[in-house]
Amino acid sequence: AQSVTQLGSHVSVSEGALVLLRCNYSSSVPPYLFWYVQYPNQGLQLLLKYTSAATLVKGINGFEAEFKKSETSFHLTKPSAHMSDAAEYFCAVSDRGSSNTGKLIFGQGTTLQVKP
Amino acid sequence: EAGVTQFPSHSVIEKGQTVTLRCDPISGHDNLYWYRRVMGKEIKFLLHFVKESKQDESGMPNNRFLAERTGGTYSTLKVQPAELEDSGVYFCASSQERGRAEAFFGQGTRLTVV
Repeated sequence: AQSVTQLGSHVSVSEGALVLLRCNYSSSVPPYLFWYVQYPNQGLQLLLKYTSAATLVKGINGFEAEFKKSETSFHLTKPSAHMSDAAEYFCAVSDRGSSNTGKLIFGQGTTLQVKP
Repeated sequence: EAGVTQFPSHSVIEKGQTVTLRCDPISGHDNLYWYRRVMGKEIKFLLHFVKESKQDESGMPNNRFLAERTGGTYSTLKVQPAELEDSGVYFCASSQERGRAEAFFGQGTRLTVV
């Protein structure tokens, strides 16, 4: 069965510092991988996705993530944090097999705090 | 183009009452998903519709939950009777195709059972 682990339920960085949010997955075959963000009082918004093209994926708002099959990881990074990046971030996987229904398996979420 | 819309945004009901949540997907999206996040836990899949048909309801907690999608358009999720453990945020998402396609999420319905 697929699973997703996000290391660290809370991450705090200073404005301008590197953002690194960790995500590891467990799957029998490399799945589709997604990062979603939830700002306060809003729904989930897609940041980026990996669907088997380039392993380094660039998303919105300066975020990017690298798919590393050998490490079963899909960590999210941003070189310089902005105050507006404060939100909760979710890593998710979706089966790419023939039985794929498109349902997402989510990690526990990581709340990013950005300090001035 | 309107996004995924969920009604109500908040609902507070007493244990034993009935609540119906509604989701209006993006027009033309055949795939509709319901998810739930219980406080302190991860977001969990409940069920998946393709048009009006249930494709996967493996995540539905028990038979107190009933989901419908009339005519393949909007969907409702009814909880009857509600229990305390049903409290959480219920998300709806829709997509044009399964798998690699992006799922667009609504803002969620926060359900509190007291």
